[in-house]
Amino acid sequence: DTAVSQTPKYLVTQMGNDKSIKCEQNLGHDTMYWYKQDSKKFLKIMFSYNNKELIINETVPNRFSPKSPDKAHLNLHINSLELGDSAVYFCASSHAAGEQFFGPGTRLTVL
Amino acid sequence: GQQLNQSPQSMFIQEGEDVSMNCTSSSIFNTWLWYKQEPGEGPVLLIALYKAGELTSNGRLTAQFGITRKDSFLNISASIPSDVGIYFCAGPSTSGTYKYIFGTGTRLKVLA
Repeated sequence: DTAVSQTPKYLVTQMGNDKSIKCEQNLGHDTMYWYKQDSKKFLKIMFSYNNKELIINETVPNRFSPKSPDKAHLNLHINSLELGDSAVYFCASSHAAGEQFFGPGTRLTVL
Repeated sequence: GQQLNQSPQSMFIQEGEDVSMNCTSSSIFNTWLWYKQEPGEGPVLLIALYKAGELTSNGRLTAQFGITRKDSFLNISASIPSDVGIYFCAGPSTSGTYKYIFGTGTRLKVLA
């Protein structure tokens, strides 16, 4: 039933580690996004894929690498985690450039 | 760059009261979206607006697309405790149709 799902819900890790977050949508959408929400709750776009092609790549450290194996999946891999990477990461999807539907979020804590 | 400013930043209201909040921009938007985010959850789309002057309702929620196309308003009537959360406006950036800008959020708390 879940439209946009993310795993894991919580991720606690040490500085310097590499981690991945997975996202899947079953809405039949062709566009997927990664957002970062900081402690002040500001939502900022990081990446977007349309039909598996990267179309938005904001000013994000190249330690962050998105991968879209197919239209229904968008994963986010983060290398050499830093304290400042602690945030909630949201996946979203849309049909073309339309209304975006969000996943439940992954709360990343870097110690 | 484009920014969406929401006011008020936060509100504490009594159950049963009506709520008004707005979202303003220095640039024109062609679409306005309103989302609600509850604690520990992702934003959920409430209302989408596509035309200047448009007034759209979703239950107790009513949103309006400002005629200048630089603002939008969200009203909640007869608030209930489950209205608590952060309300975000959003609109497509001029730097790319797939890129949406989110507002700073209005945090709503309802006192029973």
